[in-house]
Amino acid sequence: GAGVSQSPRYKVAKRGQDVALRCDPISGHVSLFWYQQALGQGPEFLTYFQNEAQLDKSGLPSDRFFAERPEGSVSTLKIQRTQQEDSAVYLCASSPTRGMNTEAFFGQGTRLTVV
Amino acid sequence: GENVEQHPSTLSVQEGDSAVIKCTYSDSASNYFPWYKQELGKRPQLIIDIRSNVGEKKDQRIAVTLNKTAKHFSLHITETQPEDSAVYFCAASIQTGANNLFFGTGTRLTVIP
Repeated sequence: GAGVSQSPRYKVAKRGQDVALRCDPISGHVSLFWYQQALGQGPEFLTYFQNEAQLDKSGLPSDRFFAERPEGSVSTLKIQRTQQEDSAVYLCASSPTRGMNTEAFFGQGTRLTVV
Repeated sequence: GENVEQHPSTLSVQEGDSAVIKCTYSDSASNYFPWYKQELGKRPQLIIDIRSNVGEKKDQRIAVTLNKTAKHFSLHITETQPEDSAVYFCAASIQTGANNLFFGTGTRLTVIP
């Protein structure tokens, strides 16, 4: 595809349920980032991959959050035992270079609602 | 870590007037400052960016200024149009490690026809 694709677009989960969010970055992009965007707020960094290596996971709010990018392309963000405070839009972004000092292309996000 | 503050949180202007959004950052190591526009329910899209080796950059009706000494940067939109209505986010990137972006809290711009 031409851009960053995320699926599903919307996810409703019951509290305690596990969820998996998928990100397909632009082909060939080295860097992949996950962000969490609460309603009315700016995106907040969760984790960063350079190819398949997770170089920074300092933004993950708890050990219930886990991300992987096993082959250096598609990435999955998994949230275990979801809680209401996990409700947010989860954005994925990719960049052709290492890091984010060139244009980062964002996906449309997955809106997670925990009920 | 980096802390980016953005003002105002909301801004209403008449069509044709100018709009200015201001951001400050805390870490002097930051050297890349992009601005993103996010329409309701859509992805953030880069509209302009500036690096620390320049003080101003312009692209048609949009300009960004950077003052590294004062650690602030601003977005200027001239001759605003209704389609400029959106939420605008400033961001800063530290040139070490993951270089991830630290975002401001956003400005909701409304251009009144």
